[in-house]
Amino acid sequence: DAGVTQSPTHLIKTRGQHVTLRCSPISGHKSVSWYQQVLGQGPQFIFQYYEKEERGRGNFPDRFSARQFPNYSSELNVNALLLGDSALYLCASSLALLGHEQYFGPGTRLTVT
Amino acid sequence: SQELEQSPQSLIVQEGKNLTINCTSSKTLYGLYWYKQKYGEGLIFLMMLQKGGEEKSHEKITAKLDEKKQQSSLHITASQPSHAGIYLCGADLNPAASGGSNYKLTFGKGTLLTVNP
Repeated sequence: DAGVTQSPTHLIKTRGQHVTLRCSPISGHKSVSWYQQVLGQGPQFIFQYYEKEERGRGNFPDRFSARQFPNYSSELNVNALLLGDSALYLCASSLALLGHEQYFGPGTRLTVT
Repeated sequence: SQELEQSPQSLIVQEGKNLTINCTSSKTLYGLYWYKQKYGEGLIFLMMLQKGGEEKSHEKITAKLDEKKQQSSLHITASQPSHAGIYLCGADLNPAASGGSNYKLTFGKGTLLTVNP
């Protein structure tokens, strides 16, 4: 079975632009979470979606939004990009909300210039 | 201060040596996850621990969650160059009994492991 997939792999954007990142979970997994990882730090939780509903939100501004589709894939949108949004964006999937192994995708490297 | 502290921050060992990485929480750990990351890449799942005293092993890597559920250790036996990378611990700090309905992992900053041949 394929693991978690993310697209694109790399992305370069200019300040003020908008970006959409995509994630496909492992087949059968209904929960998708998004994390931001800046250089030298551990991943920081942004959102969790389960059964197409937002179930958790981290300490990120409203410029960050996400959604989950009926096939459980997910998009992360970031508006009005800032230089500080440059990071590795990781998607993770798990079977359910709690107590299950969480598997991460390869990430999307976003650079904002 | 960080909710989850990893030590050491970096580690250089000679191939064949044993090593231990620690992860200490300021709160009770309801789930503890160990991941390995190559620089700039995604996280590779290693192990998940949930019960105090639980110990799991995979190949030459052993992880344990202490009885009080506030610390975990990752031990590598007879290290190899393939073990090199960043080891991250991620914790579920939300007690399920509280009805928490999200599944947020809090991560430490990671431990950079270098294994010299």
